[in-house]
Amino acid sequence: EIVLTQSPATLSLSPGERATLSCRASQSVSSYLAWYQQKPGQAPRLLIYDASKRATGIPARFSGSGSGTDFTLTISSLEPEDFAVYFCHQRSNWPRTFGQGTKVE
Amino acid sequence: EVQLLDSGGDLVQPGGSLRLSCAASGFTFSGYGMSWVRQAPGKGLEWVSSITASGSATYYADSVKGRFTISRDNSKDMLFLQMDSLRADDTAVYYCAKSREWYFDYWGQGTLVTVSS
Repeated sequence: EIVLTQSPATLSLSPGERATLSCRASQSVSSYLAWYQQKPGQAPRLLIYDASKRATGIPARFSGSGSGTDFTLTISSLEPEDFAVYFCHQRSNWPRTFGQGTKVE
Repeated sequence: EVQLLDSGGDLVQPGGSLRLSCAASGFTFSGYGMSWVRQAPGKGLEWVSSITASGSATYYADSVKGRFTISRDNSKDMLFLQMDSLRADDTAVYYCAKSREWYFDYWGQGTLVTVSS
């Protein structure tokens, strides 16, 4: 099983600041990595897939990078609605796995 | 507009069974793989099971293998999860999710399963 480790667990920032979230895989997942955003009481929403492709309707302030084992989600300038929990997910191997999440507060 | 409507969650005793359903609309259901993902209270996301577009192949997390069965009815645009031998650690919100290249691009609103005596 591929273990995804996200850091930091919590990121304390202010609106307008840049957020940088990390996801590290225990073995290579090539570029088969996605990022999801989840707000309290809501289902997750796909932000980024294939490490760097924005999903439909996702603002340009969200960007993803990386390949192999190290990945980054960057929010260039935080909007109030971006304060949420972010999960990474790999679809390289079965079983599919998620990181434990990073809370942006 | 893609819509996924999860249902079937309930309070059930340990060892009991439950069947979750997911009604899909707004896309060609038979053209996409589908999955179930769960989230225990206050915890992260856990992939549970996936099924290919035709239903010919299924995949399970080790934690549910042999106890849960995923299935679909493409004539009715429905996804199911039969859960048997339920345990306390199966307590979670269960989401059905449409898979695009096996990423989860649309999610249902979730249905709560509580396993407790």
